[in-house]
Amino acid sequence: NFILTQPLSVSESPGKTVNISCTRTNGSIETKYLQWYQQRPGNSPTTVIFEDYRRPSGVPDRFSVAFDGSSNSAFLIISGLKAEDEADYYCQTFDTDTQVFGGGTKLTVL
Amino acid sequence: QVELVQSGTEVKRTGASVKVSCRASGYDFIDYYIHWVRQAPGQGLEWIGRIHPDSGVTQYSPRFRGRITMSRDLSVNTSFLEMTSLTSDDTAVFYCARWGERILPPYGGSSSQFDLWGQGTLVTVSS
Repeated sequence: NFILTQPLSVSESPGKTVNISCTRTNGSIETKYLQWYQQRPGNSPTTVIFEDYRRPSGVPDRFSVAFDGSSNSAFLIISGLKAEDEADYYCQTFDTDTQVFGGGTKLTVL
Repeated sequence: QVELVQSGTEVKRTGASVKVSCRASGYDFIDYYIHWVRQAPGQGLEWIGRIHPDSGVTQYSPRFRGRITMSRDLSVNTSFLEMTSLTSDDTAVFYCARWGERILPPYGGSSSQFDLWGQGTLVTVSS
C-alpha cells in the first residue's frame, strides 16, 4: 500500500503562481494516472486535472501539472491566482481494487 | 440531466446503523462503477469502496471491511451504502461518486477520474 502526502496549506497573493505538491510513498508517482480535485466549502469535489495532465472543459489553462521523479512528486501549478481559486485541493490515484486520496491542501489567496 | 442524487441527512445513535442511497440519472447506470467516499468534519477525502452496478461485485477499503455493505437496485438505478456499529468517529459527509471509465463497450468517452459526484449526505452520530 501507499499514501499520498500533501502540504496542509499554501497561500499566495492574487496574480501570483502557487505549487501544491503531492508525494507518493512506496511506488512511483507515475505508476497510475493522477487526478486533482478542487473542493470549495460546502460543495462536492470537482476535477481540475485528470489523467495526469488533462483539464476538463471549463477548467482554465491556469491549472497545470508537473512531475518530478527525483522527489516522486507531482505538482499542481496554479498561475494568475484569483480569489475564486481559494479552496481545498486533493490529489488522487489508484491501484488494483483501491483508490487513494492525498490529505488535501488548503489554498488561501491572500 | 446526468447526476447522482443522495438521500438526506441522518442522525444516529452510537451503535446504530445507517443506510445512504445514491440515485443515478441521465446515463447508463450499469456502465460505470459507483464509489463511496467519506469526509469527516474539517478532514480530507477517504475512499470507502466501490460497487460494480451490473454484477454487484464490491471492493472495500480494509479500514471499513466488516462494517459496511454496498448494494444496488437496478430497477431504480440506485446504489446503497450501509454502515453498522456507528461511533462518533463516523460523523461525516458521505459522497457517492462515479468513476469515469466505462465498463461496457464502446469505451469512448471514458476517463480515469471521479467525474460525477453526489451532493453528499451528512451522517451525525451521537450518544
